[in-house]
Amino acid sequence: GIQVEQSPPDLILQEGANSTLRCNFSDSVNNLQWFHQNPWGQLINLFYIPSGTKQNGRLSATTVATERYSLLYISSSQTTDSGVYFCAVSGGSYIPTFGRGTSLIVHP
Amino acid sequence: GAVVSQHPSRVICKSGTSVKIECRSLDFQATTMFWYRQFPKQSLMLMATSNEGSKATYEQGVEKDKFLINHASLTLSTLTVTSAHPEDSSFYICSASNSAYGYTFGSGTRLTVV
Repeated sequence: GIQVEQSPPDLILQEGANSTLRCNFSDSVNNLQWFHQNPWGQLINLFYIPSGTKQNGRLSATTVATERYSLLYISSSQTTDSGVYFCAVSGGSYIPTFGRGTSLIVHP
Repeated sequence: GAVVSQHPSRVICKSGTSVKIECRSLDFQATTMFWYRQFPKQSLMLMATSNEGSKATYEQGVEKDKFLINHASLTLSTLTVTSAHPEDSSFYICSASNSAYGYTFGSGTRLTVV
């Protein structure tokens, strides 16, 4: 199956800082999504982005499918951004495979 | 659009009893749903793929007799943890796919077996 690697595994920021999270995948994909898991465990879909660039407020994402990576940008981070960010991809099987996640802590 | 409702969100049960978790797609039909399990501070591991009107497909190492999956309609899949034991305590989360929104996840169920 497809291998998914996320980096960094842990990230600590001061409120207001910017950050970039990376997701590398080992094969061609037909779906890629970024999720935020809040402290209560709920998974929130951030972006459905198998290719291209999307923006939603302070968050944006870029997927370069030909080079097999995706980036999630968080600008002007807030304490509510804390949590775990997962990248999930699916290829021919259409079953999403998750990376190990990036744990983000934003301090006030 | 593409809302998946999962309940209960939290359940505590006694060892040896069974627990049923429901996953519903509220505004779309889902012929396929997925069940994941997440241990503390770990990623989500796929347990099984639930197919409407047919048997579920379980991942290697997942006991199908312990984790019973039923997908009786295009909007409902259930996971029943049978004869639960403390090692079954975990966070269980379901997902359904939609061509417009990709994969949408339920809010998860935290199971504690005492």
